[in-house]
Amino acid sequence: EIVLTQSPGTLSLSPGERATLSCRASQNFGSDYLAWYQHKPGQAPRLLIYGASRRAIGIPDRFSGSGSGTDFTLTISRLEPEDFAVYYCQQYGSSRAFGQGTRLEVK
Amino acid sequence: EVQLLESGGGLVQPGGSLRLSCAASGFTFSSCAMSWVRQAPGKGLEWVSAITGGGGDTYHADSVKGRFTISRDNSKNTLYLQMNSLRVEDTAIYYCAQGSAAARPYYFDHWGQGILVTVSS
Repeated sequence: EIVLTQSPGTLSLSPGERATLSCRASQNFGSDYLAWYQHKPGQAPRLLIYGASRRAIGIPDRFSGSGSGTDFTLTISRLEPEDFAVYYCQQYGSSRAFGQGTRLEVK
Repeated sequence: EVQLLESGGGLVQPGGSLRLSCAASGFTFSSCAMSWVRQAPGKGLEWVSAITGGGGDTYHADSVKGRFTISRDNSKNTLYLQMNSLRVEDTAIYYCAQGSAAARPYYFDHWGQGILVTVSS
């Protein structure tokens, strides 16, 4: 079973700064079946990135995904106030496992 | 516009049963696999159950296998989760999630707002 480990657990940044979130898989799952979701309290999770680097419809271009093999990254180029939330990665090929999440909080 | 509306949550005693429903609209329901994902208090997202677009194949996480059953009625555009032998650790917000395809591999395109299930005596 593939285990996804996200780091850091909590990231404290200010609006306008760049955020880099990491997702590492316990084994190479040999595909780009990696998605990122944003989740705010009391709201439905929202798909941001699929296929490791493809932005979902309506997602601003300040969000970008990259990586392959076992190491994947979500980058938010310039943080907006509405970007502070919890972010999850998910491998959707051989499993449906989520990472444990990274909380992005205002510094 | 895609809409997913969960219902059927509430308070139930340990060992009890509950059936969740998810009414879907705004897309071709039978063309999409569907899943239930939950979030326990203070925890992250946990995939629970999945069903293919046609309903012929179902999958459950080990934590709920043998107790939960996912099903769908494509004529009613509705997804279900029958939860039996509920445990305190099943307490969570349960989300209905739309898959991007009828079968694997698929990511979750859209999610419902979630419904709270509380298992407590």
